[in-house]
Amino acid sequence: GESVGLHLPTLSVQEGDNSIINCAYSNSASDYFIWYKQESGKGPQFIIDIRSNMDKRQGQRVTVLLNKTVKHLSLQIAATQPGDSAVYFCAENSGDYKLSFGAGTTVTVRA
Amino acid sequence: EPEVTQTPSHQVTQMGQEVILRCVPISNHLYFYWYRQILGQKVEFLVSFYNNEISEKSEIFDDQFSVERPDGSNFTLKIRSTKLEDSAMYFCASRATGGRNEQYFGPGTRLTVT
Repeated sequence: GESVGLHLPTLSVQEGDNSIINCAYSNSASDYFIWYKQESGKGPQFIIDIRSNMDKRQGQRVTVLLNKTVKHLSLQIAATQPGDSAVYFCAENSGDYKLSFGAGTTVTVRA
Repeated sequence: EPEVTQTPSHQVTQMGQEVILRCVPISNHLYFYWYRQILGQKVEFLVSFYNNEISEKSEIFDDQFSVERPDGSNFTLKIRSTKLEDSAMYFCASRATGGRNEQYFGPGTRLTVT
């Protein structure tokens, strides 16, 4: 069936280091993916998206990589800052742009 | 920067009561969504709405749920007879058209059913 998931529920990273958050999906027909950041008590905040006809997309301090062969998605955050501490979700487009979310990775930045 | 707004931020209700959660999507967006997130769990799709009708709904969205766009700015989610398991954060989201696919989420309404 369709599912979107993350490899690790938690990630602890030293301030200034790079972070890599991983996500596996199972629906090979998915054509659009989004990474969201959710801070405590807030709604998901759009970070970056990628279409299935691309394998890499860069934003400000963030890069999303898509490997369709193994159905894997990752989010890289450069020079992680304390404000990056949050839960990160990958989401997959599954019909009429309904989003299916993964379980989330909690990122904690150590000073 | 335009944003999705939701009211109230927190709603406490007794089991069996009706609640209406309100959302104001971004003004030029045409697709609207409701999601919910039970504490500590992932965000789950409930319903999508376009052109004044439901375009897709999940298994969660049973007969106790309804959505409405009563005017040009508001988008509401009604739960007719709340159950304890309806306690969750409810997020509204909206999306533009014209190739822009990202959904923008509101801050959510925390619904507590006692």
